[in-house]
Amino acid sequence: GQQVMQIPQYQHVQEGEDFTTYCNSSTTLSNIQWYKQRPGGHPVFLIQLVKSGEVKKQKRLTFQFGEAKKNSSLHITATQTTDVGTYFCAGNSGYALNFGKGTSLLVTP
Amino acid sequence: DVKVTQSSRYLVKRTGEKVFLECVQDMDHENMFWYRQDPGLGLRLIYFSYDVKMKEKGDIPEGYSVSREKKERFSLILESASTNQTSMYLCASRWGFGTGELFFGEGSRLTVL
Repeated sequence: GQQVMQIPQYQHVQEGEDFTTYCNSSTTLSNIQWYKQRPGGHPVFLIQLVKSGEVKKQKRLTFQFGEAKKNSSLHITATQTTDVGTYFCAGNSGYALNFGKGTSLLVTP
Repeated sequence: DVKVTQSSRYLVKRTGEKVFLECVQDMDHENMFWYRQDPGLGLRLIYFSYDVKMKEKGDIPEGYSVSREKKERFSLILESASTNQTSMYLCASRWGFGTGELFFGEGSRLTVL
């Protein structure tokens, strides 16, 4: 079945530094989604990417979908303490979403 | 706002007990899901349902069953709880087939002693 791999597992940055997490699928995806889970919370939807090569921005967050629709990345510019949490990518395969294991981001002031 | 409500935030059960986890959504979503979340393993799909009385196995269905008698309600059942089922269980729903935002409940943390 489809597997979604995500790296790194953990990232610790100083406030103001940039952060990137990468996601790779074993199969071509129809679309990919990104979620953020704050400590003690539940995953919350950030964005969905559909088109090959698509790039979307949300303030300091930049999301990319690879040309082959098998990989994606999330880049945060100038991290803030409010960015702390775990970021998950999830690939759509038929009815269900397959999640990566997530990247836990810790931001030190 | 879409609301996905899980009946219990915290449960403690004994090995061998039958456990019911209830999930209700208020947005008329066709699709509902049960995931379990464990440290270092991310979210793993247990079962999903795309219509009333319809269910499909996810990646880790062993030891679980589900019920969807009404569109808004999706129940996860552990027939005989075991310690390796200690976990956070997350219910989610969405409208679209193969697309669209997943809305999650707050989660149910189950401890099996």
